[in-house]
Amino acid sequence: AQSVTQLGSHVSVSEGALVLLRCNYSSSVPPYLFWYVQYPNQGLQLLLKYTTGATLVKGINGFEAEFKKSETSFHLTKPSAHMSDAAEYFCAVSALTAAGNKLTFGGGTRVLVKP
Amino acid sequence: DGGITQSPKYLFRKEGQNVTLSCEQNLNHDAMYWYRQDPGQGLRLIYYSQIVNDFQKGDIAEGYSVSREKKESFPLTVTSAQKNPTAFYLCASRNGGSYEQYFGPGTRLTVT
Repeated sequence: AQSVTQLGSHVSVSEGALVLLRCNYSSSVPPYLFWYVQYPNQGLQLLLKYTTGATLVKGINGFEAEFKKSETSFHLTKPSAHMSDAAEYFCAVSALTAAGNKLTFGGGTRVLVKP
Repeated sequence: DGGITQSPKYLFRKEGQNVTLSCEQNLNHDAMYWYRQDPGQGLRLIYYSQIVNDFQKGDIAEGYSVSREKKESFPLTVTSAQKNPTAFYLCASRNGGSYEQYFGPGTRLTVT
């Protein structure tokens, strides 16, 4: 079975500072990994994904994430936080079951950006 | 514009009433999903459907029902058997050849 752990339910960063959101996963098969962002009262938007190939993946809005198999991690970073980055971020792992493909989500990390 | 629509955005019901949440997609995606979101608990899978006329229970299906009569539509009924129905409900879809899911804007259901 797959599982995802996001360390820190809340993260506070200053505008212009590094954003680092941690995600560790558990998977019995090679994982496909995702980061989504959610703004208040909206749906989730895909930030980036790792399927195969290059372990450093770049996404929208200046975010990137690195897949580290040895550490079972997929941490999300952005070099310089912007006020518009204030949102909740979810890490997810894909699982292919006999009944089809599912995503398992972490509990989310809410990011506050201080001016 | 291609996308996923959920209606209404906000829904209010009295306890004991069934209520149906709408989810429509014009992306021609094969798979559709329903999630429930509660504060601090991430997203939990209620039901999913890989093809028309077939669907599977997710992790928290009790008190919910779905149908998939058309490829573009996947309505969710929250029945009176659901003990704590107040939540934010999200619908998603996925193209058969990929792994990422695309989400609708959500429906916030309040039951009093």
